[in-house]
Amino acid sequence: SAVISQKPSRDICQRGTSLTIQCQVDSQVTMMFWYRQQPGQSLTLIATANQGSEATYESGFVIDKFPISRPNLTFSTLTVSNMSPEDSSIYLCSVVRDRGTYEQYFGPGTRLTVT
Amino acid sequence: LAKTTQPISMDSYEGQEVNITCSHNNIATNDYITWYQQFPSQGPRFIIQGYKTKVTNEVASLFIPADRKSSTLSLPRVSLSDTAVYYCLVAYAGQAGTALIFGKGTTLSVSS
Repeated sequence: SAVISQKPSRDICQRGTSLTIQCQVDSQVTMMFWYRQQPGQSLTLIATANQGSEATYESGFVIDKFPISRPNLTFSTLTVSNMSPEDSSIYLCSVVRDRGTYEQYFGPGTRLTVT
Repeated sequence: LAKTTQPISMDSYEGQEVNITCSHNNIATNDYITWYQQFPSQGPRFIIQGYKTKVTNEVASLFIPADRKSSTLSLPRVSLSDTAVYYCLVAYAGQAGTALIFGKGTTLSVSS
């Protein structure tokens, strides 16, 4: 498994502003992902954070809205830009060690409320 | 279109065995099936992962029939603390990359 921390754990932000969420892992991992989970719903993959290159975004998510960085094998950030109330959600990072099985381990999540 | 389907909710009593089935009709030969448990205000927790036939660990078993179009998570002798949402995830490998598709989750309620 892996120990994953996220900062902040929660935040309340005003519309039009941006928030950067950090994800730190206790050891090197091959893959890191960012998910969104809206209240009472399942998880939706936003993007794969690629070390040293641009993130790979899923359909419906764009880099201008959700810029992602991954400077090394243990750390990644997700920024939610120009926020609106529709961005209120829980944002989770996950990590994979074995690329063949995609066995993922999740962080505790960041609860974002946009007013 | 890859899709992962599971029941919305299930009820059980303490000490019973609970079986949650997930259907994944478009699963390919090399795709893995993973199950997660999620409590309120926490990230999903890995339970078990399988590829074919049967996998068992200290908390659950995963049964996958030969056609692999469905899978069943089996929780033996559930307790109140097993009340949670359970998600099935299939990593669908394709030419454009691997699509990670979660089911909508099954809310398990365990009563005494």
